[in-house]
Amino acid sequence: GAVVSQHPSWVICKSGTSVKIECRSLDFQATTMFWYRQFPKQSLMLMATSNEGSKATYEQGVEKDKFLINHASLTLSTLTVTSAHPEDSSFYICSARDGREFPSEQYFGPGTRLTVT
Amino acid sequence: SQKIEQNSEALNIQEGKTATLTCNYTNYSPAYLQWYRQDPGRGPVFLLLIRENEKEKRKERLKVTFDTTLKQSLFHITASQPADSATYLCALSNSNSGYALNFGKGTSLLVTP
Repeated sequence: GAVVSQHPSWVICKSGTSVKIECRSLDFQATTMFWYRQFPKQSLMLMATSNEGSKATYEQGVEKDKFLINHASLTLSTLTVTSAHPEDSSFYICSARDGREFPSEQYFGPGTRLTVT
Repeated sequence: SQKIEQNSEALNIQEGKTATLTCNYTNYSPAYLQWYRQDPGRGPVFLLLIRENEKEKRKERLKVTFDTTLKQSLFHITASQPADSATYLCALSNSNSGYALNFGKGTSLLVTP
């Protein structure tokens, strides 16, 4: 199956700093990428949807100025958590699909564990 | 609002038995229903996709049923093995959300030898 990678796999940062997480589709072109957040024992919650070359669409309650998403190419999307706070500590997971196929599966990355101290 | 509910409690079964997990939903008209497996600290892994006009799908030891009248999907693992122990997530999607997945909380399955 298709492979999606994320980098870094875990990161610890100080409160007030920014952190960038990369999501790459390694062997297919991802016309759409999704960013999810998962707190312990909770479901994956969709944060935003990004289509290559377009601005991301954010879910209600997700601050677009705090969670900056860039999807500049068909294989790379980045999520930048700006001015991170301890409550932003979570497991961030991206997924990707090739929207030109229908229906198409979503392939998930391995996740990034963010801890803000 | 949309609601996706899965077995709230962990499911413990003996190796070799069939595990059956339930996914119920309300206030949603999914075009697709998918099941994923998630291991601790890892991203979900796709298992099966079933469309709204399909009743049943099989893949090796896995079987999914989809009843749009009952708004329910059942996920079966036959001849279960300890390696099947994981959290299983039900996810729904349709074109309204650009096929973004709406996940249930998941059901933790433990298969004991």
